[in-house]
Amino acid sequence: QVQLVESGGGVVQPGRSLRLSCTTSGFTFSNHGMHWVRQAPGKGLEWLALIWYDGSKKFYADSVKGRFTISRDNSRNTLFLQMSSLTADDTAVFFCARDNSIRGIGIGYLYNWGQGTPVTVSA
Amino acid sequence: DIQLTQSPSFLSASVGDRVTITCRASQAISSYLAWFQQESGKAPRLLIYAASTLQSGVPSRFSGSGFGTEFTLTIDSLQPEDFATYYCQQVHSYPRTFGQGTKLEIK
Repeated sequence: QVQLVESGGGVVQPGRSLRLSCTTSGFTFSNHGMHWVRQAPGKGLEWLALIWYDGSKKFYADSVKGRFTISRDNSRNTLFLQMSSLTADDTAVFFCARDNSIRGIGIGYLYNWGQGTPVTVSA
Repeated sequence: DIQLTQSPSFLSASVGDRVTITCRASQAISSYLAWFQQESGKAPRLLIYAASTLQSGVPSRFSGSGFGTEFTLTIDSLQPEDFATYYCQQVHSYPRTFGQGTKLEIK
Protein backbone atom coordinates (compact mmCIF):
# COMPACT_ATOMS: atom_id res chain seq x y z
CA GLN A 1 0.00 0.00 0.00
CA VAL A 2 1.01 3.62 -0.43
CA GLN A 3 3.25 4.85 2.38
CA LEU A 4 4.79 8.25 2.96
CA VAL A 5 7.08 8.82 5.92
CA GLU A 6 8.37 12.25 6.79
CA SER A 7 11.57 12.79 8.74
CA GLY A 8 14.06 15.50 9.61
CA GLY A 9 11.93 17.59 11.91
CA GLY A 10 13.08 18.84 15.28
CA VAL A 11 13.99 21.96 17.19
CA VAL A 12 15.96 24.59 15.29
CA GLN A 13 17.06 28.10 16.19
CA PRO A 14 15.62 31.13 14.41
CA GLY A 15 17.54 32.01 11.28
CA ARG A 16 18.85 28.49 10.80
CA SER A 17 18.08 25.95 8.10
CA LEU A 18 16.54 22.48 8.12
CA ARG A 19 15.91 19.82 5.50
CA LEU A 20 12.90 17.56 5.65
CA SER A 21 12.60 14.26 3.81
CA CYS A 22 9.62 12.19 2.74
CA THR A 23 10.40 8.58 1.95
CA THR A 24 7.78 6.82 -0.12
CA SER A 25 6.78 3.30 -1.14
CA GLY A 26 3.89 1.41 -2.66
CA PHE A 27 3.58 3.45 -5.84
CA THR A 28 5.68 4.59 -8.79
CA PHE A 29 7.16 7.71 -7.26
CA SER A 30 8.55 9.04 -10.53
CA ASN A 31 5.04 9.22 -12.01
CA HIS A 32 3.53 11.55 -9.43
CA GLY A 33 3.80 15.14 -8.33
CA MET A 34 4.41 15.65 -4.64
CA HIS A 35 3.29 18.33 -2.19
CA TRP A 36 4.30 19.76 1.15
CA VAL A 37 1.63 21.07 3.52
CA ARG A 38 2.06 22.37 7.05
CA GLN A 39 -0.10 22.92 10.09
CA ALA A 40 0.86 25.32 12.84
CA PRO A 41 -0.20 24.35 16.37
CA GLY A 42 -3.96 24.69 16.72
CA LYS A 43 -4.29 26.12 13.20
CA GLY A 44 -5.50 24.97 9.82
CA LEU A 45 -3.73 23.44 6.86
CA GLU A 46 -1.41 25.57 4.74
CA TRP A 47 -0.31 24.34 1.32
CA LEU A 48 3.39 25.08 0.77
CA ALA A 49 4.74 23.63 -2.44
CA LEU A 50 4.34 21.20 -5.33
CA ILE A 51 6.98 19.57 -7.50
CA TRP A 52 6.12 17.87 -10.74
CA TYR A 53 6.79 14.15 -11.26
CA ASP A 54 10.05 14.85 -13.06
CA GLY A 55 11.08 17.91 -11.08
CA SER A 56 10.61 20.17 -14.11
CA LYS A 57 8.09 22.47 -12.45
CA LYS A 58 7.82 23.78 -8.92
CA PHE A 59 5.17 25.97 -7.30
CA TYR A 60 5.26 27.68 -3.92
CA ALA A 61 3.05 29.56 -1.50
CA ASP A 62 3.99 33.20 -1.18
CA SER A 63 4.73 32.69 2.53
CA VAL A 64 7.71 30.43 1.76
CA LYS A 65 8.81 31.50 -1.72
CA GLY A 66 12.51 32.30 -1.73
CA ARG A 67 13.10 30.59 1.64
CA PHE A 68 11.93 27.01 1.02
CA THR A 69 12.99 24.75 -1.84
CA ILE A 70 11.18 21.60 -2.84
CA SER A 71 13.16 18.87 -4.60
CA ARG A 72 13.06 15.16 -5.25
CA ASP A 73 15.28 12.18 -5.97
CA ASN A 74 13.37 9.73 -8.12
CA SER A 75 16.11 7.12 -7.81
CA ARG A 76 15.50 7.06 -4.05
CA ASN A 77 11.73 7.62 -4.11
CA THR A 78 12.26 10.55 -1.80
CA LEU A 79 10.94 14.09 -1.58
CA PHE A 80 12.73 16.93 0.19
CA LEU A 81 11.98 20.35 1.59
CA GLN A 82 14.94 22.59 2.26
CA MET A 83 13.95 25.36 4.66
CA SER A 84 16.09 28.40 5.39
CA SER A 85 15.84 31.63 7.41
CA LEU A 86 13.40 29.93 9.74
CA THR A 87 11.28 31.98 12.14
CA ALA A 88 8.90 31.12 14.96
CA ASP A 89 6.05 31.42 12.44
CA ASP A 90 7.41 28.32 10.68
CA THR A 91 6.73 26.16 13.74
CA ALA A 92 4.36 23.48 12.49
CA VAL A 93 3.82 19.85 11.60
CA PHE A 94 4.95 19.31 8.01
CA PHE A 95 3.14 16.78 5.84
CA CYS A 96 4.08 15.40 2.45
CA ALA A 97 1.33 14.26 0.12
CA ARG A 98 1.07 12.42 -3.19
CA ASP A 99 -0.61 14.12 -6.13
CA ASN A 100 -2.88 11.72 -7.98
CA SER A 101 -2.14 13.08 -11.47
CA ILE A 102 0.15 10.82 -13.50
CA ARG A 103 3.12 12.35 -15.32
CA GLY A 104 1.46 15.74 -15.18
CA ILE A 105 -1.75 14.65 -16.85
CA GLY A 106 -5.03 15.42 -15.16
CA ILE A 107 -5.94 17.57 -12.20
CA GLY A 108 -3.99 16.61 -9.16
CA TYR A 109 -5.59 16.12 -5.79
CA LEU A 110 -3.72 15.27 -2.58
CA TYR A 111 -4.57 11.57 -2.50
CA ASN A 112 -2.25 10.19 0.18
CA TRP A 113 -0.58 11.84 3.14
CA GLY A 114 2.21 11.02 5.52
CA GLN A 115 1.81 11.34 9.27
CA GLY A 116 3.87 14.50 9.45
CA THR A 117 7.09 15.61 11.11
CA PRO A 118 7.09 18.42 13.69
CA VAL A 119 9.36 21.43 13.38
CA THR A 120 9.82 23.85 16.24
CA VAL A 121 11.70 27.08 15.68
CA SER A 122 12.89 28.38 19.02
CA ALA A 123 15.96 29.88 20.61
CA ASP B 1 -4.68 33.98 -4.71
CA ILE B 2 -8.03 32.23 -4.40
CA GLN B 3 -9.53 32.51 -0.93
CA LEU B 4 -11.77 29.77 0.42
CA THR B 5 -14.20 30.59 3.23
CA GLN B 6 -15.86 27.77 5.11
CA SER B 7 -19.00 28.11 7.15
CA PRO B 8 -19.61 27.48 9.87
CA SER B 9 -16.20 27.37 11.57
CA PHE B 10 -17.68 25.30 14.41
CA LEU B 11 -20.62 22.94 14.27
CA SER B 12 -22.22 21.02 17.10
CA ALA B 13 -24.34 18.02 16.20
CA SER B 14 -25.53 14.66 17.49
CA VAL B 15 -25.01 11.11 16.26
CA GLY B 16 -27.58 10.46 13.56
CA ASP B 17 -27.88 14.10 12.47
CA ARG B 18 -27.43 15.36 8.93
CA VAL B 19 -24.98 18.23 8.62
CA THR B 20 -23.84 20.49 5.80
CA ILE B 21 -20.63 22.49 5.53
CA THR B 22 -20.24 25.23 2.93
CA CYS B 23 -17.08 26.37 1.15
CA ARG B 24 -17.14 29.58 -0.88
CA ALA B 25 -14.38 30.53 -3.30
CA SER B 26 -13.35 34.12 -4.00
CA GLN B 27 -13.47 33.38 -7.71
CA ALA B 28 -14.88 30.64 -9.90
CA ILE B 29 -12.97 27.38 -9.69
CA SER B 30 -15.20 25.12 -11.81
CA SER B 31 -15.37 21.82 -9.92
CA TYR B 32 -11.72 21.81 -8.85
CA LEU B 33 -12.41 21.31 -5.16
CA ALA B 34 -11.59 18.65 -2.61
CA TRP B 35 -12.78 17.93 0.92
CA PHE B 36 -10.56 16.48 3.64
CA GLN B 37 -11.26 15.10 7.09
CA GLN B 38 -8.72 15.46 9.85
CA GLU B 39 -9.03 13.73 13.20
CA SER B 40 -7.11 15.25 16.08
CA GLY B 41 -3.40 14.50 15.85
CA LYS B 42 -3.70 12.66 12.56
CA ALA B 43 -2.98 13.35 8.92
CA PRO B 44 -5.76 14.69 6.70
CA ARG B 45 -7.74 12.16 4.68
CA LEU B 46 -9.16 12.86 1.23
CA LEU B 47 -12.93 12.38 1.24
CA ILE B 48 -14.16 13.95 -1.98
CA TYR B 49 -12.48 15.34 -5.08
CA ALA B 50 -13.72 17.10 -8.19
CA ALA B 51 -16.39 18.60 -5.92
CA SER B 52 -18.58 15.49 -5.85
CA THR B 53 -16.53 12.32 -6.46
CA LEU B 54 -16.27 10.10 -3.42
CA GLN B 55 -12.77 8.81 -2.77
CA SER B 56 -12.44 5.03 -2.65
CA GLY B 57 -13.19 3.63 0.79
CA VAL B 58 -15.10 6.68 2.02
CA PRO B 59 -18.57 5.86 3.38
CA SER B 60 -21.51 6.82 1.19
CA ARG B 61 -23.01 9.02 3.93
CA PHE B 62 -20.50 11.64 2.74
CA SER B 63 -21.43 13.62 -0.36
CA GLY B 64 -20.26 16.77 -2.06
CA SER B 65 -21.82 19.18 -4.50
CA GLY B 66 -21.29 22.54 -6.09
CA PHE B 67 -19.68 24.33 -8.98
CA GLY B 68 -18.09 27.69 -9.57
CA THR B 69 -17.87 29.48 -6.24
CA GLU B 70 -20.14 27.60 -3.84
CA PHE B 71 -19.67 24.06 -2.62
CA THR B 72 -21.12 21.88 0.09
CA LEU B 73 -20.09 18.80 2.01
CA THR B 74 -22.99 16.86 3.50
CA ILE B 75 -22.75 14.07 6.02
CA ASP B 76 -25.90 11.99 6.44
CA SER B 77 -26.56 10.17 9.70
CA LEU B 78 -23.47 11.26 11.63
CA GLN B 79 -21.39 8.49 13.17
CA PRO B 80 -19.11 8.88 16.22
CA GLU B 81 -16.01 8.65 14.01
CA ASP B 82 -17.18 11.63 11.93
CA PHE B 83 -16.51 14.16 14.66
CA ALA B 84 -13.39 15.81 13.30
CA THR B 85 -12.26 18.91 11.42
CA TYR B 86 -13.09 19.31 7.74
CA TYR B 87 -11.21 21.34 5.15
CA CYS B 88 -11.90 22.27 1.56
CA GLN B 89 -9.06 22.87 -0.91
CA GLN B 90 -9.06 24.31 -4.41
CA VAL B 91 -6.82 22.87 -7.13
CA HIS B 92 -7.87 25.35 -9.82
CA SER B 93 -4.77 27.49 -9.57
CA TYR B 94 -1.60 28.09 -7.60
CA PRO B 95 -1.20 28.43 -4.72
CA ARG B 96 -3.42 25.49 -3.79
CA THR B 97 -5.30 27.13 -0.93
CA PHE B 98 -7.31 25.52 1.87
CA GLY B 99 -10.34 26.79 3.70
CA GLN B 100 -9.87 27.66 7.36
CA GLY B 101 -11.58 24.48 8.53
CA THR B 102 -14.85 23.47 10.18
CA LYS B 103 -14.68 21.68 13.51
CA LEU B 104 -17.54 19.26 13.98
CA GLU B 105 -18.19 18.53 17.64
CA ILE B 106 -20.53 16.25 19.49
CA LYS B 107 -23.52 18.06 21.03
